[in-house]
Order: sequence, then structure tokens, then C-alpha cells
Amino acid sequence: EVQLVQSGAEVKKPGESLKISCKASGYRFTSNWIGWVRQMPGKGLEWMGTIYPGDSDTRYNPSFRGQVTISADKSITTAYLHWSSLEPSDTAVYYCVRGDYLDVWGEGTTVTVSS
Amino acid sequence: ETVMTQSPATLSVSAGETATLSCRASQSVNSNLAWYQQKPGQAPRLLIHGASTRATGIPARFSGSGSGTEFILTISSLQSEDSAVYYCQHYNNWPPVAFGGGTKVEIK
Repeated sequence: EVQLVQSGAEVKKPGESLKISCKASGYRFTSNWIGWVRQMPGKGLEWMGTIYPGDSDTRYNPSFRGQVTISADKSITTAYLHWSSLEPSDTAVYYCVRGDYLDVWGEGTTVTVSS
Repeated sequence: ETVMTQSPATLSVSAGETATLSCRASQSVNSNLAWYQQKPGQAPRLLIHGASTRATGIPARFSGSGSGTEFILTISSLQSEDSAVYYCQHYNNWPPVAFGGGTKVEIK
């Protein structure tokens, strides 16, 4: 079964760093793009960016470039989304997703940033 | 940048009837268009890709049509479980991709 299993909910303070993860299984990790989608409270879906684990080619939505870093470790078939300095506006649910049309979704990781 | 616009924002339809959801692209996305369903508290689920191809396990009462800039998602014989928000997304010349703002379907 193809699965994306995400790390658990996080509560952080402004200015802190954070890396959330997405463990892929059931398919060839290095041959499929894997990306991240943000959903702020009560809002729609926003595509953040994606990485091709086979060669680490990474593409970002211009709105998110410089705000987050997407990476992947193919030895453990895991993708990551990293913030170096969180802001309250980063409070959202973050989904990892596979492909260009997003045929597999993780369950979501809730990130809450509050002082 | 291609902008996706969905209409209406909310659609209220009786059970057993047909819901028609619209998605418009600001420029042609060919047939590189997908539809998703999101129920409260759940991750979205892929319904349609390639504008008209149902994803695995999706009932036949969900159908997609269109190409270029105009797309339609049709849900026939509406059931209570179809109450959800529906998003379109293009993946033409991806990345990047873009989502529409969503249509909330309510069952009367």
C-alpha cells in the first residue's frame, strides 16, 4: 500500500526552528516528486513546493521560496519541510503529497506558532 | 502564473440531485486538471486527474469534463457523504501548480 505518514503536531514559539517529516512507503521513492501543501485555518489549499528525491531537484512556489526549505533523505525514504524562524502566520496544517496531480496525501501535520 | 477560479463558492443541492461545479483557468492548462474532495478534519482526496479520469476507487457518479480553460465536475445522485469542499488544481507545465479557491457542497 502506498502511504505517506507524517510526523505529529507541533506547538512552537515565534522565532523557533522546526522540521516536520513525511515517511513514504509502498512505492519507488526516488522516482516520484514529493511535495508540501499548506492549509491555513479555515482556508484553501496552497502548493508550497516539491522535491525529486532521485537527484534532489527542488522547486518552490515563489510565495514560499526563502521562507521554508524542502529536503529529502532517500536512504530512509523521508521528505522534510523546515523553517529556520517560525512566525505566527505559519500556523496551519501541512500535508505532504506525491506527484504533479496529487494522488497520495499524508494525514497532515498541525503546526501552531504562538507566544 | 495561471490562476484557477472556482464557482460557485457554495452550492446547496438536494440528495439524489446533480451538482455541477465549475473551474476556470486564466490560460490554457490543456487537460492537466485534477479535482479533490476534502471533508472536515480530513486530508483532501484525489477524485479526477487528466480532467476526466477517475482516480482509483472513485464512484462513477463523479465525472469530470473540459479542456483548455473551462472545466466541470459533475456529481450525480448526490449522497449525504458527498458534503465536502471540492478543489480544482492545474498541473500544466508544473511545477508550480495552483489550486482554485474551492466550492463547498451542502446537501439540503
